[in-house]
Amino acid sequence: DTEVTQTPKHLVMGMTNKKSLKCEQHMGHRAMYWYKQKAKKPPELMFVYSYEKLSINESVPSRFSPECPNSSLLNLHLHALQPEDSALYLCASSQAQGVPRPQHFGDGTRLSIL
Amino acid sequence: SQQGEEDPQALSIQEGENATMNCSYKTSINNLQWYRQNSGRGLVHLILIRSNEREKHSGRLRVTLDTSKKSSSLLITASRAADTASYFCATDGAGNTGKLIFGQGTTLQVKP
Repeated sequence: DTEVTQTPKHLVMGMTNKKSLKCEQHMGHRAMYWYKQKAKKPPELMFVYSYEKLSINESVPSRFSPECPNSSLLNLHLHALQPEDSALYLCASSQAQGVPRPQHFGDGTRLSIL
Repeated sequence: SQQGEEDPQALSIQEGENATMNCSYKTSINNLQWYRQNSGRGLVHLILIRSNEREKHSGRLRVTLDTSKKSSSLLITASRAADTASYFCATDGAGNTGKLIFGQGTTLQVKP
């Protein structure tokens, strides 16, 4: 069992749909991350939240909209996605941004865009 | 672009043998981490080595770091079928941003 919980595990959506991915951690971590991982590739950072504020946006298209409602929750809102956005979306958390500590990952949401 | 490069890309060994994976990176770092990813799962942190450390052990894992060569290696001793997974190195750069850049990964298969 992982300490970072992501829902849903799988999501199929059309290009005109709006959906949200959710991530939750109860380790008291103050940094949370979204990564995108294509098959047989390493994870690529999308966003970093530090103390509930957006700290890093890796030039991600605006059809991906992150939100951090509180220190335990992280959402990724999806709208008008493209087929190339199909991937595994991983959420992670760490004690604090910039502190040399491990990142704890959830098992991801496998997203398919029709 | 990804900072870390790993080799080999794929490794197949028999249970009980040792597995060595190598990682090279391009810029200065504060620390380097190794992660494991089982098929269909998230990444699991294995070990973190700081830039002023040369070697670190954790159970059957041994990590070395050579900052002069900008390289690291992960050794798994006495491998088990359960070690079958992809292994990634990740560097943080020198800016303390918390941003991890992952290598391309090594896929390890341990045959029973």
